[in-house]
Amino acid sequence: AQKVTQAQTEISVVEKEDVTLDCVYETRDTTYYLFWYKQPPSGELVFLIRRNSFDEQNEISGRYSWNFQKSTSSFNFTITASQVVDSAVYFCALSGNQAGTALIFGKGTTLSVSS
Amino acid sequence: KAGVTQTPRYLIKTRGQQVTLSCSPISGHRSVSWYQQTPGQGLQFLFEYFSETQRNKGNFPGRFSGRQFSNSRSEMNVSTLELGDSALYLCASSPDKGLAKGNEQFFGPGTRLTVL
Repeated sequence: AQKVTQAQTEISVVEKEDVTLDCVYETRDTTYYLFWYKQPPSGELVFLIRRNSFDEQNEISGRYSWNFQKSTSSFNFTITASQVVDSAVYFCALSGNQAGTALIFGKGTTLSVSS
Repeated sequence: KAGVTQTPRYLIKTRGQQVTLSCSPISGHRSVSWYQQTPGQGLQFLFEYFSETQRNKGNFPGRFSGRQFSNSRSEMNVSTLELGDSALYLCASSPDKGLAKGNEQFFGPGTRLTVL
């Protein structure tokens, strides 16, 4: 069975601090996809990044970076120099490669950035 | 391109009633998925439709059903509503082969259902 664990329920930081959101996944598939989504207070989920299981290269996009390590089944997300606008719930998710797969979400991490 | 739209945005029903929610995907997207979000259970997959066929269904009772039309618009129906069905119902559309090839999903704003 597939499972995504986000152990951090809530994180509070002050602006300009760096923060890392942890994500650990379980799957028996050899080909799978990992995602991060952001859900701001408005409620609409916003896609941030997708990674497939064969691509362990880390990625950086502005203040966001992602660290994918198959050896530890982790796909962590770091926000550098956090801003108040980063306050949201962040979800890590996992899907397989076959028709009929589902997108399995973690419980989410609520990030609060204060000024 | 217009994003995913969901109607209605808010709904109040009473126990025992039924409800139909509607979702219009991004133009050109043939995959539509539905999710239930509650504070206790988080985001849970309901089902995915691709070219009018249900490809997968999550662990929900038969009271939850859906369908997809030839224009890719989708509806979700919940019959005999229970208090525990109160939730945010999110619809997402996906390009190409949908979830099967790891395509990202684009979410709508959701329908907030309250069951009294």
